[in-house]
Amino acid sequence: EVHLLESGGGLAQPGGSLRLSCAASGFTLDDFAMTWVRKAPGKGLEWVSFSSGNGHNTYYADSVKGRFTISRDNSKNTLFLQMNSLRAEDTALYYCAKVVYSGSSSGFDYWGQGTLVTVSS
Amino acid sequence: AIQMTQSPSSLSASVGDRVTITCRASQDIRNDLGWYQQKPGKAPKLLIYAASSLQNGVPSRFSGSGSGTDFTLTISSLQPEDFATYYCLQDYIYPFTFGPGTKVDIK
Repeated sequence: EVHLLESGGGLAQPGGSLRLSCAASGFTLDDFAMTWVRKAPGKGLEWVSFSSGNGHNTYYADSVKGRFTISRDNSKNTLFLQMNSLRAEDTALYYCAKVVYSGSSSGFDYWGQGTLVTVSS
Repeated sequence: AIQMTQSPSSLSASVGDRVTITCRASQDIRNDLGWYQQKPGKAPKLLIYAASSLQNGVPSRFSGSGSGTDFTLTISSLQPEDFATYYCLQDYIYPFTFGPGTKVDIK
């Protein structure tokens, strides 16, 4: 059974850093692309970042580009999101999700339960 | 970045109603669109991918259609467990972008 478990969230000061982890089980991480999505309080879903299966191709939302870095340790079946220069607007519940492809289209078929990041002084 | 809009932003409906939600992209995205359902306190759930393909395990009352810039999610007969917020997501080009969501609540 596929299971994703996020951790690493918490309270950070503006300008600070956090590193989120997403532990995957029930599948081999390097066989699949992965993504991070966030939901700020009272707002909708926002796509954050993408990593190909081997980690060589990564993409970011404009709002986090240059501040966040997605990476993975496939030997430990774990995905990461390094978040630097945090801002109040980064406050959100962060989800990791597994990517599935159908031709050129993709979908996020399994999701974790999320880890909460709060950026406040 | 591609902008996604959804209409309506919210709707009230009764059990058994047919519900239609539309999503529009700011440019042609072929059929690279998915639909997600999110309930309060829960992770999002994939309903439809590639505009019209039903994800495994999703009830057949959900269907998707469209291509290019205009897409539709239809719930043929609304059930109590379908009251939630629905989002479209374009996966045609990075950065991927979600629509703002459509909240479906009980009339």
